[in-house]
Amino acid sequence: ETGVTQSPTHLIKTRGQQVTLRCSSQSGHNTVSWYQQALGQGPQFIFQYYREEENGRGNFPPRFSGLQFPNYSSELNVNALELDDSALYLCASSPGMGRDEQFFGPGTRLTVL
Amino acid sequence: SQKIEQNSEALNIQEGKTATLTCNYTNYSPAYLQWYRQDPGRGPVFLLLIRENEKEKRKERLKVTFDTTLKQSLFHITASQPADSATYLCALENGGATNKLIFGTGTLLAVQP
Repeated sequence: ETGVTQSPTHLIKTRGQQVTLRCSSQSGHNTVSWYQQALGQGPQFIFQYYREEENGRGNFPPRFSGLQFPNYSSELNVNALELDDSALYLCASSPGMGRDEQFFGPGTRLTVL
Repeated sequence: SQKIEQNSEALNIQEGKTATLTCNYTNYSPAYLQWYRQDPGRGPVFLLLIRENEKEKRKERLKVTFDTTLKQSLFHITASQPADSATYLCALENGGATNKLIFGTGTLLAVQP
């Protein structure tokens, strides 16, 4: 059983650009959640997908969007990047919608210049 | 307003002692609370989950308590080791259809040999 993987590891973009981050969940996990973690802060919930449908969203603007695919992979897209979007982006998968532990990936470090 | 607070300052303890980390919350009614460990540049790793109807949970050298009256969880590491040095995050789930986690800012634990 492989763990949660994310790509790329690091990314540098300039303000106004668009970015796509990718995540591969653990096999059999139907739920994926995305979090943003600024330096020195705890992760903040962006949104969650369950069986390819968005299933809850945090306090993030619409320029943050996502997709989940049947093969347990998912994407986080951010349009019109702002300097404050610089952070570690984490995806986490869990087996169902129940109250389970979440399995986090190593994260993608995004820097916006 | 809703808040989750963890010890903002780093906790320094001597090897072999018990580390106690605090998580306080206001204006939440969590159905359960989780503790995670995070090493620098890595994703959080799940440690323990405790439900609202449980007072205490143990796993090897770890113990967590959950007091819904005080709105507080305590996380203990007994016989601490330098390898326990990391940031520890508490996260609560506030009910609803998603297992959205709301994280505290974390406490940095440093165990001195």
